[in-house]
Amino acid sequence: DAGVTQSPTHLIKTRGQQVTLRCSPISGHKSVSWYQQVLGQGPQFIFQYYEKEERGRGNFPDRFSARQFPNYSSELNVNALLLGDSALYLCASSFLGTANEKLFFGSGTQLSVL
Amino acid sequence: DAKTTQPPSMDCAEGRAANLPCNHSTISGNEYVYWYRQIHSQGPQYIIHGLKNNETNEMASLIITEDRKSSTLILPHATLRDTAVYYCIVRVVASGTYKYIFGTGTRLKVLA
Repeated sequence: DAGVTQSPTHLIKTRGQQVTLRCSPISGHKSVSWYQQVLGQGPQFIFQYYEKEERGRGNFPDRFSARQFPNYSSELNVNALLLGDSALYLCASSFLGTANEKLFFGSGTQLSVL
Repeated sequence: DAKTTQPPSMDCAEGRAANLPCNHSTISGNEYVYWYRQIHSQGPQYIIHGLKNNETNEMASLIITEDRKSSTLILPHATLRDTAVYYCIVRVVASGTYKYIFGTGTRLKVLA
């Protein structure tokens, strides 16, 4: 079975541009979460979506937005890119609803903002 | 809103047990402790999780103190492939969903 897939794997943008990152969850998983990992730090929660609705949001500015599609795949959009947005962006899927759930992570998209 | 503290780095001899500590003194009663590891900036990989009882699986053991303020991840026979950053995570319930709060992690180096 395929795991969580993310695209693209690497991306280079310049300040002020906009970027869209994509994620396909594990088959059967209805929840997708996004995390930002700056070099040398642990991942930080950005968003969680379940059944196409936003269920949680971390402490990120409105430049960050996301959505989930009927097939449960998801996109993360970042507008007006800043140098500080350079990071590894991780997507995780889970079968939300059980206390014993686990998050399954993709390999991430490495975003560099120049 | 970090809820865990871990030593930044540890070394362990190959074949020996690696014991990775984590402090989560502000954990609430319904919040689970999870452990993940990350190799070479790949996506984090699940290891084990628990609420208050000790847990064991094919990868590791998790020992949670009775007051739940700290825990220890045990890799019983560390190999070179266990070299990674290990994250202790508290999963909180917020707005009807789960939120996983990562700490800064422990960089474990297994030495030959």
